[in-house]
Amino acid sequence: QVHLVESGGGLVQPGRSLTLSCAASEFTFSTYVMHWVRQAPGKGLQWLAGISYNGKNKYYADSVRGRFTISRDNSKSMLSLQMNRLRPEDTAIYFCAREMSASRFVDVWGQGATVTVSS
Amino acid sequence: EIVLTQSPATLSLSPGERATLSCRASQSVSRYLAWYQQKPGQAPRLLIYDTSNRATGIPARFSGSGSETDFTLTISSLEPEDFAIYYCHQRGDWPPSFGQGTKVEIK
Repeated sequence: QVHLVESGGGLVQPGRSLTLSCAASEFTFSTYVMHWVRQAPGKGLQWLAGISYNGKNKYYADSVRGRFTISRDNSKSMLSLQMNRLRPEDTAIYFCAREMSASRFVDVWGQGATVTVSS
Repeated sequence: EIVLTQSPATLSLSPGERATLSCRASQSVSRYLAWYQQKPGQAPRLLIYDTSNRATGIPARFSGSGSETDFTLTISSLEPEDFAIYYCHQRGDWPPSFGQGTKVEIK
């Protein structure tokens, strides 16, 4: 069964950094576009970043461009999100998600990693 | 950025009733509109993509329609497991965006 598992979440102070990882299994990771989406407590969904299948093209929401970096290691079937200069408003559940091969939409989501930014 | 406005914010219905959820885009997204269902403590689940295509394993009671700026998700007869929050999502223009959600609750 196709699986995405995020890790690396936790409590971090404002201004510090944190890196999330997403381990993919049971599909050919290297052929799929991948994304990060987050959800603040009690709020809706916010797209953050996407990366092409080979990692050459990266896309960011304005709210995180310059602070967050998406990357992938196809040899390890791993997606990452490096988050720098974290702010309290970055507190959220962070989901990694796989984009469908037949469409632009994500069809597989991880269970999410919780990031809390607080002093 | 394209803004997606969902209505109503909350829909109070009974099992067996028909649910009609609306999503309006601030500008055309062509047919690049999807619907997701989310239950508490869970990740979203793709229901409909490209306006009207049901995702794998999604029951036929879920259907999508619309184009350009106006889209509808219809649940023909609500089952107990359908009470959840539903989000529309566009990939017709950059950056991708989500609606604020419609909560379908038990009346």
